[in-house]
Amino acid sequence: DGGITQSPKYLFRKEGQNVTLSCEQNLNHDAMYWYRQDPGQGLRLIYYSQIVNDFQKGDIAEGYSVSREKKESFPLTVTSAQKNPTAFYLCASSIERGRNEQYFGPGTRLTVT
Amino acid sequence: AQSVTQLGSHVSVSEGALVLLRCNYSSSVPPYLFWYVQYPNQGLQLLLKYTTGATLVKGINGFEAEFKKSETSFHLTKPSAHMSDAAEYFCAVTDTGNQFYFGTGTSLTVIP
Repeated sequence: DGGITQSPKYLFRKEGQNVTLSCEQNLNHDAMYWYRQDPGQGLRLIYYSQIVNDFQKGDIAEGYSVSREKKESFPLTVTSAQKNPTAFYLCASSIERGRNEQYFGPGTRLTVT
Repeated sequence: AQSVTQLGSHVSVSEGALVLLRCNYSSSVPPYLFWYVQYPNQGLQLLLKYTTGATLVKGINGFEAEFKKSETSFHLTKPSAHMSDAAEYFCAVTDTGNQFYFGTGTSLTVIP
């Protein structure tokens, strides 16, 4: 079955540590996205990538970094510079960037203490 | 600038009653509009989308939505609520495709 996988489902880290969230898709989609979800705030775009080896900042990129070395993979690193990293992180993909619907992974809940 | 407003962060309906979730948008060009559903601790699943053409759009699980340009609305409805409909619902808009804008979500509770 085609889809998007995110691992792990739950992640716990101590303050000051960097942590990397995994996102893999086998839909053969060119575009991939990372969103952050906080209660009552909807989804906010962190980074997106239209093609391998290219990515762009979204609305709340500060304290985050990404890479896109393979079409299937778009890992997100939450750095120690992110002031409030505890959140639910969602990865999505679409066939190409544009008005196409986005397909979402199951999410990773990150808790930093 | 684009934006989405979902009126009512929490909606409760009785099982078997009409479900109506409201979404209003702003867009400088004809928008594409989407409704997604999210179950607890899961990702978002596409319910339906409006691109062009017929303004009444049918989606999965018996949901439908009507695009009303004059009212800048895209409300989601279902004639008869089921317990399994309890979830969070998000409306989203994009115009040029550079970015999707999501509403803050509406939590639907179904009362048995």
